Amino acid sequence: GQQLNQSPQSMFIQEGEDVSMNCTSSSIFNTWLWYKQDPGEGPVLLIALYKAGELTSNGRLTAQFGITRKDSFLNISASIPSDVGIYFCAGPPNTGNQFYFGTGTSLTVIP
Amino acid sequence: NAGVTQTPKFRVLKTGQSMTLLCAQDMNHEYMYWYRQDPGMGLRLIHYSVGEGTTAKGEVPDGYNVSRLKKQNFLLGLESAAPSQTSVYFCASSYSPRLGFFGPGTRLTVL
Repeated sequence: GQQLNQSPQSMFIQEGEDVSMNCTSSSIFNTWLWYKQDPGEGPVLLIALYKAGELTSNGRLTAQFGITRKDSFLNISASIPSDVGIYFCAGPPNTGNQFYFGTGTSLTVIP
Repeated sequence: NAGVTQTPKFRVLKTGQSMTLLCAQDMNHEYMYWYRQDPGMGLRLIHYSVGEGTTAKGEVPDGYNVSRLKKQNFLLGLESAAPSQTSVYFCASSYSPRLGFFGPGTRLTVL
């Protein structure tokens, strides 16, 4: 199946620091989605990207659709304790209804 | 508005037993999906549906069957459960090929 590689796998940061994570795919995507999952719950959609080069923000979160269409980036500014969770990228390669998920980046924020 | 609900929340099965997981959404979404989540592997698509009466295989369909007899419901069946099917199962729905809303998950253990 489709491979989506997320890095880093885990991050431990101090409250107030900025966070960057990325996702790369082995093929071209036409949509990139970023989700956050809290323990024991389902993923929640944070940001959706539909065009190469697109930069979209949602509060302190900013995501970018890579120009090559094979990668995407998520930044969190001024992290707070409630940012703790696992962040997933997802998307469909080219056209299609099958969405593939990355393996996730686990974020820990130290107060 | 309940969003996406999943029944049951927890289940323990013995090898060879069968069961059905129910996903219901009240948002009139056309697209519905079943995923499984295993540690370190992100979410993998089992089956999906693009409308009432339609189903399609995802990345890991073996050992599962699905039905979408009503637009609001998507059922996932295990005919003969195996320990390898121990996982957390998530249902999702959306109004277009853009993943939006996930249910809270069903934790299944097969002994």
